Amino acid sequence: GENVEQHPSTLSVQEGDSAVIKCTYSDSASNYFPWYKQELGKRPQLIIDIRSNVGEKKDQRIAVTLNKTAKHFSLHITETQPEDSAVYFCAASNGWRAQKLVFGQGTRLTINP
Amino acid sequence: EPEVTQTPSHQVTQMGQEVILRCVPISNHLYFYWYRQILGQKVEFLVSFYNNEISEKSEIFDDQFSVERPDGSNFTLKIRSTKLEDSAMYFCASSTQMNTEAFFGQGTRLTVV
Repeated sequence: GENVEQHPSTLSVQEGDSAVIKCTYSDSASNYFPWYKQELGKRPQLIIDIRSNVGEKKDQRIAVTLNKTAKHFSLHITETQPEDSAVYFCAASNGWRAQKLVFGQGTRLTINP
Repeated sequence: EPEVTQTPSHQVTQMGQEVILRCVPISNHLYFYWYRQILGQKVEFLVSFYNNEISEKSEIFDDQFSVERPDGSNFTLKIRSTKLEDSAMYFCASSTQMNTEAFFGQGTRLTVV
């Protein structure tokens, strides 16, 4: 089955700097890759997603890149702000029979003022 | 904005007891899911449900687990005989289609004592 590895497990950056979180997946049939943000004690919320027919997607300060050949995808947050502090999870799904999201282990991002 | 709602927010139960976790997915969504998150760990897929049947389940979802959509709005997860290791946050989610945003509920924290 699918396996998603996420790095780093913790990341601390200065406010205004960029943050990059990387994930690799094992199932070449996976075709949907969302990123979720989870604040302490709250539900995971989608921040951006990408499908396998696209190499890059951007939404304001957030971008995701996908390399299907290497089976990895990354989240880029630019001009970080204190409210970006949270745990970020990547996920992958092959979705041909069901959307079974397989999550990475999570990255705890801390933005230092 | 429509939300997935879950009840109760916190449930404490004795080992061996049955519990039912309840969810009301977003009304026009067709795909329903249960995930769990053990404290400090990643979100894990349990089961997906579409067209009144299970479309996929994980190895975690053994004979002790069952799901039901008893009416047009509710979606339940039943654990027949709870074990200590079932203690986790259980998230219900729903989506309109596969490979689209899965909206998560706020979760039910299950504590088995």
